[in-house]
Amino acid sequence: AQSVTQLDSQVPVFEEAPVELRCNYSSSVSVYLFWYVQYPNQGLQLLLKYLSGSTLVKGINGFEAEFNKSQTSFHLRKPSVHISDTAEYFCAVRNSGAGSYQLTFGKGTKLSVIP
Amino acid sequence: EPEVTQTPSHQVTQMGQEVILRCVPISNHLYFYWYRQILGQKVEFLVSFYNNEISEKSEIFDDQFSVERPDGSNFTLKIRSTKLEDSAMYFCASRADRRQETQYFGPGTRLLVL
Repeated sequence: AQSVTQLDSQVPVFEEAPVELRCNYSSSVSVYLFWYVQYPNQGLQLLLKYLSGSTLVKGINGFEAEFNKSQTSFHLRKPSVHISDTAEYFCAVRNSGAGSYQLTFGKGTKLSVIP
Repeated sequence: EPEVTQTPSHQVTQMGQEVILRCVPISNHLYFYWYRQILGQKVEFLVSFYNNEISEKSEIFDDQFSVERPDGSNFTLKIRSTKLEDSAMYFCASRADRRQETQYFGPGTRLLVL
């Protein structure tokens, strides 16, 4: 079984400042990692994913994340946030083995960008 | 861009009543999912569906729940006798095929059981 911890439930940050949203996972097997974003009244939208290869993954809207296997982390970063980045961000994992595609999510981090 | 849609956006029901939550996955997608999020808690997997049968389900998905693909476009979640603890946001998701990793989520249905 896997689990995901997002330690920060809310992160306020000023516009144009950098931001890092933390995600740690626990798993006894190899995993794939995902970040989803949920804007108000919308569904979960995939920001980026790590399946294999380079540990630095770039996604949409200028976000990137780095997979760190030794620290079992997959933190999300953006060098300069915009007001439009205000949303809730979810980290998720799934067992990379065949047969199960269910995603295990963290509790989410609400990013508030302050003008 | 194609998207997953869900209806209704909000549903209020009395305890013990049956509810059906509807989803229209992205056309030509083959794999379908339901997740739920109780207020303040994590998004939790409920069930996955492929080739007209359940391929995986969680412990939450007990006998009061059922899923169906009644036609070529809809994917439904039925809760037979709702309980107060079923109050949650229910998300539908679809995935194109076994080679594609991304699950595309709908906007959710907020269910409130009174």
